[in-house]
Amino acid sequence: GAGVSQSPSNKVTEKGKDVELRCDPISGHTALYWYRQSLGQGLEFLIYFQGNSAPDKSGLPSDRFSAERTGGSVSTLTIQRTQQEDSAVYLCASRLADTVLYFGPGTRLTVL
Amino acid sequence: AQSVAQPEDQVNVAEGNPLTVKCTYSVSGNPYLFWYVQYPNRGLQFLLKYITGDNLVKGSYGFEAEFNKSQTSFHLKKPSALVSDSALYFCAVSGAAGNTGKLIFGQGTTLQVKP
Repeated sequence: GAGVSQSPSNKVTEKGKDVELRCDPISGHTALYWYRQSLGQGLEFLIYFQGNSAPDKSGLPSDRFSAERTGGSVSTLTIQRTQQEDSAVYLCASRLADTVLYFGPGTRLTVL
Repeated sequence: AQSVAQPEDQVNVAEGNPLTVKCTYSVSGNPYLFWYVQYPNRGLQFLLKYITGDNLVKGSYGFEAEFNKSQTSFHLKKPSALVSDSALYFCAVSGAAGNTGKLIFGQGTTLQVKP
């Protein structure tokens, strides 16, 4: 069956530009998560959506980061005015009722 | 504060030998513990989890892990390593009761299995 998909797989941008990263969760999964994987910081939780509840944004590193989830399905992570320290792999994951997160392949973001 | 420690950056074993990848945790309350594996340029794949019940849990690809409450450990093991097991392994713990998707990850351990 289809897993979590993310696009683009790679994104190169210039410092100061805005970027949008997309995540398509597994159909029917009610919970969606964004994580960031970088060499210096390892795997960091960013934000979590559960159904119609207000998202848990406690992991967002700055107000340049935001995310939305439309119709309880697709999610977009937006980074405004990108900085070089934003370079990382951004991973999306979804979950149904059990405890397991299913991760997508990630988007590798490079800020020049 | 809740945390996960993987004390070894890299583990090297010969094919056919048993392997252990270590993980210790610190969390208030009963932990939900997980192991994930990441192959190059791929996302994380779930291997196994401990929620409750038997301390020895079995997972994918012949891996198992033992929950030890007194030592706050959850080491990953496999009786006979394969070259194809070479990858980056992450231990994770649920950071919030009732929400096991908000995981705290260890720094990862690279497993290198040599023929």
